[in-house]
Amino acid sequence: GENVEQHPSTLSVQEGDSAVIKCTYSDSASNYFPWYKQELGKGPQLIIDIRSNVGEKKDQRIAVTLNKTAKHFSLHITETQPEDSAVYFCAASPFGNQFYFGTGTSLTVIP
Amino acid sequence: GAVVSQHPSRVICKSGTSVKIECRSLDFQATTMFWYRQFPKQSLMLMATSNEGSKATYEQGVEKDKFLINHASLTLSTLTVTSAHPEDSSFYICSARDRVLGGARYGYTFGSGTRLTVV
Repeated sequence: GENVEQHPSTLSVQEGDSAVIKCTYSDSASNYFPWYKQELGKGPQLIIDIRSNVGEKKDQRIAVTLNKTAKHFSLHITETQPEDSAVYFCAASPFGNQFYFGTGTSLTVIP
Repeated sequence: GAVVSQHPSRVICKSGTSVKIECRSLDFQATTMFWYRQFPKQSLMLMATSNEGSKATYEQGVEKDKFLINHASLTLSTLTVTSAHPEDSSFYICSARDRVLGGARYGYTFGSGTRLTVV
């Protein structure tokens, strides 16, 4: 089955700096890679996703890159703000099937 | 956008009793719903996949007789924790897939989760 690893487990950045979270996956059949933000006591919220036919995608301050050959993908948050503080999960999925989640990264943005 | 309503958000029950958690897709039809369990500061672990009108598929190590899943309609799936014990205390989250959009971006939507505490 698929195995998704995520690093780092915790990340602290100063407000305005960038944050990068990295994930690797094992199953070459995975072709959909979403990123979720989870605030305390709430369900995950999709923030950005990328499919295997695309190498990079950007949505305002958030971007995701994918390297299919190396089987890794990364989340980039620029100009971080305190409200970006949360736990972020990456996931890998064969299109239309179940998700395999990474172990999560607790991001703290220090004002 | 797609909305999944999950209730209750919090529940405390006595050991030995059963608890039912509901997951509803409010503005779309969900052919498939997923149930996850999340321990504090840990990732989401898939418990089971339910398809409307058929039996749920459980992940290895998940007791199907303890975690009863019913997906009787395209908008409702329920998870019943039977004979709950303190070790069942956890955060349970459902996710629904839109029948029309399938696996597209807005095809998967998560509920807000249920914090179960068994005392």
